[in-house]
Parts: sequence; structure tokens; C-alpha cells
Amino acid sequence: QQQVKQSPQSLIVQKGGISIINCAYENTAFDYFPWYQQFPGKGPALLIAIRPDVSEKKEGRFTISFNKSAKQFSLHIMDSQPGDSATYFCAASAAVSGSARQLTFGSGTQLTVLP
Amino acid sequence: GAGVSQSPRYKVAKRGQDVALRCDPISGHVSLFWYQQALGQGPEFLTYFQNEAQLDKSGLPSDRFFAERPEGSVSTLKIQRTQQEDSAVYLCASSHHREASPLHFGNGTRLTVT
Repeated sequence: QQQVKQSPQSLIVQKGGISIINCAYENTAFDYFPWYQQFPGKGPALLIAIRPDVSEKKEGRFTISFNKSAKQFSLHIMDSQPGDSATYFCAASAAVSGSARQLTFGSGTQLTVLP
Repeated sequence: GAGVSQSPRYKVAKRGQDVALRCDPISGHVSLFWYQQALGQGPEFLTYFQNEAQLDKSGLPSDRFFAERPEGSVSTLKIQRTQQEDSAVYLCASSHHREASPLHFGNGTRLTVT
């Protein structure tokens, strides 16, 4: 059962444009929503994360928008650059007492930013 | 400082062979996770250690998969009698045992079963 659905599967954006990736979740116990960036041959690296007590979080050119009632969240990359070309994964986790958080990942979006 | 180190980077095994994949987490990280990433997919949880204790192995796909972390540091993921469907990238990640402590991933081991 896919608990985190991600779209689109692939995205092509011109340099300077806005990239938008969307995710939806089902488990209402999820309370931590990170985004990871993965380059070919590398492991995923944390980009930005949000908790459901805020509707938006911005770090540089990266913004997460969160809609708790719709159980959706999205990543916006402003002024997209060719160096942003990578695969992006949304993820979600729920707190477990006495245990570290286990992440459930979306299926990924391959972003290509054209020069 | 050093990140999470995984070895080997690539492993080719014939169907039926046993393989062992190694993970060296960041020093001092209590929590260690193994994930399986199929081609074009997101990582999927396999198992979780807190120090040497394996607290969750619910993601291991079959009893051919076994993981250990005997001294609470280095971990090994072992796959017995490999099958073609085991072909994937196996990712190891570690973190501090603190609320919302970020996961740090290694670059993975790409396993190809022929």
C-alpha cells in the first residue's frame, strides 16, 4: 500500500522557472514531512522539512507548502537552475515512542532544468 | 567529518549466491536504517537498529534477508540465496537518537543478481 503518493513522475523546467512537485499522504499519524534530493549514484540528502503546525516553510529557493486538511504537501523550487537537476523524494514519518523515525518515501520526481 | 560509508559500491552475484553488504554509520549515531531502492523508485524501509538492538525488521522481504549490528556501530545486511528480484540499491542511513534528527544516507550498494 503506497502511503505517500508523489507527482509528477518527471518534470522539465526552463532555467529560472518554478518547479513544483506534489505529494499526498494517507496516514493521519504522520507529523514530519521532509524532502530529499538525490543525484545519480548518490544517496538521498535532506533538503528541507516541515511539521504540520505550519503551512509553509522557506529555505532559500526551496519552499514547502503544507495543507493538513487535504493531507497534501508540495515542494516549490524558485529560480530553478541546471544544478537542481536531480530526483526529488517526498517522505513522511510518525513519531514512535522510544524509537527513531522511520521514513515512508514517495516514488520520486526526476527534475530536469534546461539551461 | 566522514559520512555514512557503504561497501562494496557494486556487487554482482549469480542467482543462489549469498552476499554481505556493509555499512559504517557516522560515528556516534545511535540509529541505523537499511532501505532498498528499486530502479526508478523511492527507498523502501527494510530494518532499523538502535545501537545493537534490531527494533524493527518488518520491512525485510523474506527470511533470506538478515541484518546485524553486533557492537552498535558497523552493520551488515546479508542476503542468502539471492534472487533476481533482489537486484536493487541498498541504502544505509544513520541518525542521532533525537526527535526529528535528520537521516544521513550513504551512497548505497548496487546489487545485480544475474
